[in-house]
Amino acid sequence: EVQVVESGGGLVKPGGSLRLSCAASGFTFSNYSMNWVRQAPGKGLEWVSSISAGSGYIHYADSVKGRFTISRDNADNSLYLQMNSLRAEDTAVYYCARVRAIFTGNDGFDIWGRGTMVTVSS
Amino acid sequence: SYEVTQPPSVSVSPGQTATITCSGNKLADKYVCWYQQKPGQSPVLVIYQDNMRPSGIPERFSGSNSGNTATLTISGTQSLDEAVYYCQAWDTTAGVFGTGTKVTVL
Repeated sequence: EVQVVESGGGLVKPGGSLRLSCAASGFTFSNYSMNWVRQAPGKGLEWVSSISAGSGYIHYADSVKGRFTISRDNADNSLYLQMNSLRAEDTAVYYCARVRAIFTGNDGFDIWGRGTMVTVSS
Repeated sequence: SYEVTQPPSVSVSPGQTATITCSGNKLADKYVCWYQQKPGQSPVLVIYQDNMRPSGIPERFSGSNSGNTATLTISGTQSLDEAVYYCQAWDTTAGVFGTGTKVTVL
């Protein structure tokens, strides 16, 4: 079964750090660009970051640039999001999402995980 | 930064057609995707590249994109189509989601 499973969420104080992980299975992970998308409680979807199949192209939303770092380990079929200097407004469910077509960045997200909740609060 | 807007809500009777719009400057120059999200669930891709349906998505879902507006059409709407729908495009390298439209099947 093609799936991605996020982990690593939790409660963290403002200014703190957290590292999210996404474990992929059922497909050739190294062929696909991957993304993080978040959703604040009761709010809409917000794109956070993308990384190409070979990690050569990395992009961030302005809201997280300089604080978050996306990375991947193709040997381990894993995607990561290192989140530093966390703020209350970063509170959200964080989804790992696969880009639909291989070796493509700008396409739809066809595989989503169930998400992991990050709460930033003192 | 690029923005796309959607109406907050759309109501439709069972069996009728629901039309959801997504507006952005010269949106037709970009590919648009649509996602369905039901309460407590992860989003599901229902349309990609303006008008393509992923496997498993019913034919009643269709899309178009022209000028400044992309449209998701649900023909013969069923109660199980009740959800929030998001459009999404790429502003060069940045993903952009619409504000979401709640479709209510009355």
